[in-house]
Amino acid sequence: EPEVTQTPSHQVTQMGQEVILRCVPISNHLYFYWYRQILGQKVEFLVSFYNNEISEKSEIFDDQFSVERPDGSNFTLKIRSTKLEDSAMYFCASSDQGNQPQHFGDGTRLSIL
Amino acid sequence: KNQVEQSPQSLIILEGKNCTLQCNYTVSPFSNLRWYKQDTGRGPVSLTIMTFSENTKSNGRYTATLDADTKQSSLHITASQLSDSASYICVVSASDEKLTFGTGTRLTIIP
Repeated sequence: EPEVTQTPSHQVTQMGQEVILRCVPISNHLYFYWYRQILGQKVEFLVSFYNNEISEKSEIFDDQFSVERPDGSNFTLKIRSTKLEDSAMYFCASSDQGNQPQHFGDGTRLSIL
Repeated sequence: KNQVEQSPQSLIILEGKNCTLQCNYTVSPFSNLRWYKQDTGRGPVSLTIMTFSENTKSNGRYTATLDADTKQSSLHITASQLSDSASYICVVSASDEKLTFGTGTRLTIIP
């Protein structure tokens, strides 16, 4: 069964540095999402992306964050000037239609030191 | 503010027993409700998705119910197996496609 793949599985970064989290969604999917899950807390929506632009974003997704689909397969989340509180699991998801079940990757664990 | 509340927070049952997990939501305007299973260290995996007009939906040993009037849903697991040990997350989608996640029920199946 097709999967959403995320790399790296674990990223350790110094506070203030920039990180790029990478995702390869399922190939025929058109809708892409990023979520984060702080340890011990619930999953939180960050942003949805369709037709090469952001369709929705949460209040968490401020100017520190950006997303990009640089080619036909990758979907990236960039976090500029990372803060300690950015430490979390970041999940990418994709779906073939807007209101269909989203398929999640296994996440990237981001640790900010 | 859109919210999804789940109970119990954690549950331990013997292998082979049944259990029911609860979800209450205040998401408007409602579009659909999903149950996800999240194994430790993995991403959530969709179990069921239910729209406003659906009362019950089954996926193998998992049966979800939805009462849109009272804004409640349940997930019933029949004849539990050790592999059912995971967090079960109720997720409600508003019509703008934003998902609101519950905090999950941590289910542990013991032999």
